[in-house]
Amino acid sequence: DTAVSQTPKYLVTQMGNDKSIKCEQNLGHDTMYWYKQDSKKFLKIMFSYNNKELIINETVPNRFSPKSPDKAHLNLHINSLELGDSAVYFCASSQGTSAYEQYFGPGTRLTVT
Amino acid sequence: AQKITQTQPGMFVQEKEAVTLDCTYDTSDPSYGLFWYKQPSSGEMIFLIYQGSYDQQNATEGRYSLNFQKARKSANLVISASQLGDSAMYFCAMRKSYNTDKLIFGTGTRLQVFP
Repeated sequence: DTAVSQTPKYLVTQMGNDKSIKCEQNLGHDTMYWYKQDSKKFLKIMFSYNNKELIINETVPNRFSPKSPDKAHLNLHINSLELGDSAVYFCASSQGTSAYEQYFGPGTRLTVT
Repeated sequence: AQKITQTQPGMFVQEKEAVTLDCTYDTSDPSYGLFWYKQPSSGEMIFLIYQGSYDQQNATEGRYSLNFQKARKSANLVISASQLGDSAMYFCAMRKSYNTDKLIFGTGTRLQVFP
């Protein structure tokens, strides 16, 4: 069983399009995250949700909108895609704020042409 | 501001030898956590080891150990008896303990194990 899953694994799209990446965790965790890994492998947090509430919102363009329909899901919608959005996006989850381990999904490689 | 520094962009080690991957951090918070993650070529992020700032002993997990030197603000990862499957990117990360689980990552070290 996959603990943290993301769909799709690969996403190729044109500039200006709107796309979504879905994330689901079956670990019973109450906190979920989105990270962006750029072409230089630098990994940076974007958002964090705890019990469906947004608790971390880093300096991310408002074209990025996370949505958490329930504790097990955290989706990322991106409007008006730009070339600079090309990256690998990782979803992760943890149990509460005292957890020391975040479980990462396999990543979604987004390529904007 | 919190910061994680990994100064080794790449490291080579022969199979069965030990290797140390460097990580230094900067924070003014007394309570924090330090992590190491492995990212193989397949892309997933795999948690390896955790060290809390108040932990008295260095963390160990199988062949992984964390050489925690608080005064020097370093948290080096030691991999003993390297295996070919250890070839991957390794990321050091830090988290504030009293805040939410926001992880700040270093730039990573690419480890290559050769026979």
